[in-house]
Amino acid sequence: DGGITQSPKYLFRKEGQNVTLSCEQNLNHDAMYWYRQDPGQGLRLIYYSQIVNDFQKGDIAEGYSVSREKKESFPLTVTSAQKNPTAFYLCASRRGGGSSYEQYFGPGTRLTVT
Amino acid sequence: DQQVKQNSPSLSVQEGRISILNCDYTNSMFDYFLWYKKYPAEGPTFLISISSIKDKNEDGRFTVFLNKSAKHLSLHIVPSQPGDSAVYFCAASMYSGGGADGLTFGKGTHLIIQP
Repeated sequence: DGGITQSPKYLFRKEGQNVTLSCEQNLNHDAMYWYRQDPGQGLRLIYYSQIVNDFQKGDIAEGYSVSREKKESFPLTVTSAQKNPTAFYLCASRRGGGSSYEQYFGPGTRLTVT
Repeated sequence: DQQVKQNSPSLSVQEGRISILNCDYTNSMFDYFLWYKKYPAEGPTFLISISSIKDKNEDGRFTVFLNKSAKHLSLHIVPSQPGDSAVYFCAASMYSGGGADGLTFGKGTHLIIQP
């Protein structure tokens, strides 16, 4: 069963703590993405990676960091520098190649920081 | 500056009728457009897409129309079914040297199908 796994579904942290969100895919996709969604808003791009060991900042990268050591995994760290970390975080992947634009999403992680 | 706009936050349609969801964009560099369906607390599900070289793409009950000169696209759902009730996001992408960049999303339209 191919797909994208995000864990956990719900995550709670105290302000000032870093937290890492997991994203794993077994679709053999080359590219992976992180988005956040806030209430009443569309998804906004945080970081993306087209290949292993390479990634680029998206529109709202401040306060976040990522790594891409394996093709299957693209973890996102929400640092204490992120001013409004409470949000719904979505990971996506894309097959790769110039003709493929469709991204497929995981189930999301809702992060609450108090 | 919002590059992808969905100006109707919600839309109510009777079951069996046509649902038309609209989307406008401002960036002429976008060359691919997608529609996603999303339920609360779940990830978006890809529905249908269209390349900027086409003006129509059809898949079952779903048809997407693109008017490049007006920078406008629309999603038609015919006939509308109760299971279509969800939030629909319009998204746009452009190809860069390394591949497709991330998607730019509109804020979504909540479609409600009434029995």
